[in-house]
Amino acid sequence: DSGVTQTPKHLITATGQRVTLRCSPRSGDLSVYWYQQSLDQGLQFLIQYYNGEERAKGNILERFSAQQFPDLHSELNLSSLELGDSALYFCASSVGDSGANVLTFGAGSRLTVL
Amino acid sequence: DAKTTQPNSMESNEEEPVHLPCNHSTISGTDYIHWYRQLPSQGPEYVIHGLTSNVNNRMASLAIAEDRKSSTLILHRATLRDAAVYYCIPGMIKAAGNKLTFGGGTRVLVKP
Repeated sequence: DSGVTQTPKHLITATGQRVTLRCSPRSGDLSVYWYQQSLDQGLQFLIQYYNGEERAKGNILERFSAQQFPDLHSELNLSSLELGDSALYFCASSVGDSGANVLTFGAGSRLTVL
Repeated sequence: DAKTTQPNSMESNEEEPVHLPCNHSTISGTDYIHWYRQLPSQGPEYVIHGLTSNVNNRMASLAIAEDRKSSTLILHRATLRDAAVYYCIPGMIKAAGNKLTFGGGTRVLVKP
């Protein structure tokens, strides 16, 4: 157990639907990161939050949004889902927000869009 | 952002050392060099990181070239559990935010 908790572990939904993925960071970590891993794209950085504020943004689609709450947990919202959104979504956390920090990853949420 | 180049795959025999090279010729002077690995069906896990000096921990050693344009991750005695994809990633320490970007990585196969 890495200390980063992601729910749900598996999710199956239909095109056009909306889902929310949840992440609880490791105790003491203030930064949360979201990554998407699909078969043909590898691990793609989506977005980072630090202590409730957005700090860095990657190739996150406009249909996707995220936020970090005062208790530091984070949610990734995916809407108007398409078949191509099927992927593993990983959350990671770190103490600080710079590139010197070590990331701890969760086990991932597997999203299947039918 | 600094780019990295790694071989697509490498094979090793169990209990032999594995040397995984990474080229990061565009790295800036303030970028840390991180290595993560991803075992099958798991999330990535941290292996080691360093800035200028060689680094050792219980998992591996990291040898950083003097000009910092390349580095080598060394697994001293490969086990079957070390079969994974290994990612070399530069991490900026001064830029706002931390966009650790994973490339294709090196898939390591360990043969018994």
